Amino acid sequence: DQQVKQNSPSLSVQEGRISILNCDYTNSMFDYFLWYKKYPAEGPTFLISISSIKDKNEDGRFTVFLNKSAKHLSLHIVPSQPGDSAVYFCAASDPGNTPLVFGKGTRLSVIA
Amino acid sequence: DAGVIQSPRHEVTEMGQEVTLRCKPISGHNSLFWYRQTMMRGLELLIYFNNNVPIDDSGMPEDRFSAKMPNASFSTLKIQPSEPRDSAVYFCASSLGGFEQFFGPGTRLTVL
Repeated sequence: DQQVKQNSPSLSVQEGRISILNCDYTNSMFDYFLWYKKYPAEGPTFLISISSIKDKNEDGRFTVFLNKSAKHLSLHIVPSQPGDSAVYFCAASDPGNTPLVFGKGTRLSVIA
Repeated sequence: DAGVIQSPRHEVTEMGQEVTLRCKPISGHNSLFWYRQTMMRGLELLIYFNNNVPIDDSGMPEDRFSAKMPNASFSTLKIQPSEPRDSAVYFCASSLGGFEQFFGPGTRLTVL
């Protein structure tokens, strides 16, 4: 049973437009969320995170929004660039400091 | 600074052979994780260690899989005997007491 779900396997966006990647979770104990980015033939790299005490965290072109009542978070990339083309993984953790639980990933393609 | 180092980067073997994957975590990190990535299941945690001690191996698919961490700077994941369904990319990651995990480049395993 998947606790972290990324229901869109892929997403295509034009360069300069906004990319919105979505993630849903089922475990209400999760209190820390991360997004990782993965290029082909490389390991995932940390992108941005958010604690459950916040509903928004911004880092340059990347913003993560958290809706605790809906158990939903999203990653916004504005403006999207061709170099953003990668697989994005959503991950979550609970206060027991157990390992991260990852979603299956969404492949983003930014078209020039 | 060197990141997480994994070897080999690619491994092609025949069914029934023993496979050993190696990982050197980032110096000073006290947690080490082994993941497997497949199209069907995404990024799944196999086992993790805290201070060289295995904490949770419930993700290890079956007894053919084993992992060791003899010291803080080295870990192995062994598959014996290997089967075609073990073909995947295997990642090692390390962290220092926090949520952010740093991933190695992965080992692409192909079992013929």
